[in-house]
Amino acid sequence: QMHLQESGPGLVKSPETLSLTCTVSGDAISSTNYYWGWIRQPPGKGLEWIGSVYYTGSTYYNPSLKSRVTISVDTSKNQFSLKLKSVTATDTAVYYCARHGCGGDCYHFWDYDFDFWGQGTQVTVSS
Amino acid sequence: QSVLTQPPSASGTPGQRVTISCSGSSSNIETSYVHWYQHLPGTAPKLLIYRINQRPSGVPDRFSGSRSGTSASLTISGLRSEDEADYHCAAWDDSLSAWVFGGGTKLTVL
Repeated sequence: QMHLQESGPGLVKSPETLSLTCTVSGDAISSTNYYWGWIRQPPGKGLEWIGSVYYTGSTYYNPSLKSRVTISVDTSKNQFSLKLKSVTATDTAVYYCARHGCGGDCYHFWDYDFDFWGQGTQVTVSS
Repeated sequence: QSVLTQPPSASGTPGQRVTISCSGSSSNIETSYVHWYQHLPGTAPKLLIYRINQRPSGVPDRFSGSRSGTSASLTISGLRSEDEADYHCAAWDDSLSAWVFGGGTKLTVL
């Protein structure tokens, strides 16, 4: 049974660094079939993709956040992590981790979808 | 302001058919796969439709997806009370080089 669980501080002070970890169970993060991503939802707004990582450490980032984001993978712990630096109140959101699965032939990163998600963790940025 | 545009709300009575729209552009919906997610607040979002009109195993055939030009639609037939949730569309945007989402549609079953 595929399961993803986010963990990390629920409160971060501006302008410190937000750090979250996603623990994956039910499949190996080192599988060649998947990417692993982070998505967030600010209060009252839609979902926003933050970035994604392959088990090799190769990354894709949302250009709007790229200068502040680092996503890494630890295959020995079956985890991947998010670091978002210099946070402000606009980074307050529910943060989700998710698996990118492939529903057919996948030749490019954008051929994938988000097929399993964690339940999300609330992160509030205070001043 | 989300890149993909969805109506903020939709409603229907049990047994009815409801359609939720997702409007985009030539750099996302028209040229990329469109995916739909069902989300009950406090729970993990669930993949409902992938690649425009494909259903994952376990998703009832009451749920269907389609695309026409720069717009996509999610249709729920035979509406049930348990369908009350938020629905989000998503697609890859070639111009932004990013996954983009709609603002979400809150479906109420009256």
